[in-house]
Parts: sequence; C-alpha cells; structure tokens
Amino acid sequence: GEDVEQSLFLSVREGDSSVINCTYTDSSSTYLYWYKQEPGAGLQLLTYIFSNMDMKQDQRLTVLLNKKDKHLSLRIADTQTGDSAIYFCAKGDYGQNFVFGPGTRLSVLP
Amino acid sequence: KAGVTQTPRYLIKTRGQQVTLSCSPISGHRSVSWYQQTPGQGLQFLFEYFSETQRNKGNFPGRFSGRQFSNSRSEMNVSTLELGDSALYLCASSFRGGSLGNEQFFGPGTRLTVL
Repeated sequence: GEDVEQSLFLSVREGDSSVINCTYTDSSSTYLYWYKQEPGAGLQLLTYIFSNMDMKQDQRLTVLLNKKDKHLSLRIADTQTGDSAIYFCAKGDYGQNFVFGPGTRLSVLP
Repeated sequence: KAGVTQTPRYLIKTRGQQVTLSCSPISGHRSVSWYQQTPGQGLQFLFEYFSETQRNKGNFPGRFSGRQFSNSRSEMNVSTLELGDSALYLCASSFRGGSLGNEQFFGPGTRLTVL
C-alpha cells in the first residue's frame, strides 16, 4: 500500500517546540515533503528531504528521517501563534503521484 | 511573479449538474495537478497535466476529467454531480511535474458545494 499516517491533532504552548510525526508504508519513496495549510488557503511547501538524508534544517524547521522505521518528523522551534495550521506529510516517487497524509492540526496556545 | 490562481473561489451546484473549474499556473510552469480535499478522505490526487497531455491519473470515476491548454492553463470538469463531490478542489503548478523533488505551488482552491 501507499499509506501515509499522521496523528490528527497537536497542541503546544507558544515558545515551545512542536514535533509533528509521520509514518509511511511504501519503502520505494524517495522524496518526503512537509506542507502547511492555513485556513482558507492552499498548501504551502515548507521543506522536503531526499530519502538518502537523515536530517535537514531550515531556520526554525528541522526534518528528521528514520528510514528503517519509515518515520519522518518535523520539528518547529520556538512555535508561534502564526504556526497554527494543518501540516501535511507527503511522499513522492519516480513516475508516481504525490500521496498525502491526513494532516496534523497544530494549535498554538498563548 | 503571480501565484497560482483558481476561479471561481466558491461554487454552489445541484445534483446532476456539471461544473468546470479553472486554474492558471505560475508563469513558466508547464505542469498542473488537481487534488480533491474533503474532511473524510483528506487530500486525494485527481490528475496531472504536462504540456497539454495527461501524465498521471488518480483513482476517480470518469465523471472527473480535465484538460490543459497551450498556455498551460488547465480546467477540470465534473459531470453529473453527486453530493459526495462537495469538496475543496486544489490546483498545483510546477515547472517539471512529477513527485520527484518537485516543488509544487498550490492555488487557494475552489470550494464546491453540491446540494
């Protein structure tokens, strides 16, 4: 199968770190993506990682990939209220279309 | 550079009708993909067009169709609308298409309500 799984909800306090997790079942995936969707808007690509990488960092965002466990995580440092959104994990492979997870709704509490 | 635009933003139709949605990609992008987003099924891939050719197709019935014009603008059509077609339809454009290290840019979506 080509499932991508995520927990549906996450609440954190402003200033704390957020960690959003994703697991996937198809081992042929070569690219893994994180998208952000704010209310009433389309998806915005945050970052992506190639499957031969373990980690990628971009300002407040850190992506960790555990290929053995097929586990991907997105860490947001110093989470702000503007980070409140739905975060989608997605995977892509040669000749295949994107497969998205169900999305994790991140709520940032003041 | 202008982003991906979708028209209309909101649409209300009744069962049995048909609908056409439009997507204008970012200038220079040749790939346009369409997605259906619903609370129950999440984000599902409909199809991808590249240089006027359908390159990939998701698992949707034949009532869902699309096309791409020479200027890369794309339309999708849904015939014989059903209540379950109510959804947010998202369009995404990219330069080279596919899902391999591909940066897709999404439009704001068309919210379709079928009564």
